[in-house]
Amino acid sequence: KAGVTQTPRYLIKTRGQQVTLSCSPISGHRSVSWYQQTPGQGLQFLFEYFSETQRNKGNFPGRFSGRQFSNSRSEMNVSTLELGDSALYLCASRGDRRPGGYTFGSGTRLTVV
Amino acid sequence: SQQGEEDPQALSIQEGENATMNCSYKTSINNLQWYRQNSGRGLVHLILIRSNEREKHSGRLRVTLDTSKKSSSLLITASRAADTASYFCATDGGGADGLTFGKGTHLIIQP
Repeated sequence: KAGVTQTPRYLIKTRGQQVTLSCSPISGHRSVSWYQQTPGQGLQFLFEYFSETQRNKGNFPGRFSGRQFSNSRSEMNVSTLELGDSALYLCASRGDRRPGGYTFGSGTRLTVV
Repeated sequence: SQQGEEDPQALSIQEGENATMNCSYKTSINNLQWYRQNSGRGLVHLILIRSNEREKHSGRLRVTLDTSKKSSSLLITASRAADTASYFCATDGGGADGLTFGKGTHLIIQP
């Protein structure tokens, strides 16, 4: 079956702009999580969605938001971009069976200039 | 926030040798997982060990877990050039907090 698909693969934005990233999970997976990866902070949890509900959010400012649709596809949005938001954003999905590993997408590389 | 700390940060070995990476964590866990990442791409799930398990095998991978010491190790036997990657341990508390990752071990397999 198809893996986790993230679009776009690369983005270059200017400070102050906003950006929307998309993630399509594995078919049948209702849980979608987002992570930010930077050289300095490593991999950090952004938020997790399950059946269109945000279950938890990591320690990120309100500029970071997301949502999940009825088909489990998810989007994350970052408003008023800052240079420090440059990172690889990874989306992951997993099935309902617990415990279970996550399947990650290839990520969106966001560069803020 | 980072919970785990991998040791070593970088490891370079010859092809065919065994590679061992260690991970320490701070809080109680439901399970611990290991992931591989090639050149800043997505992470690939390698193996999951539950908190009530002490050792688990999958192909050339062997994972141990010591909850009393809050540590885990990943052994890759008979390494291959294709094993060159960054390896991360990640703890799962069993709730909705997602995974908490360590900083990773960068493994280089010399041909």
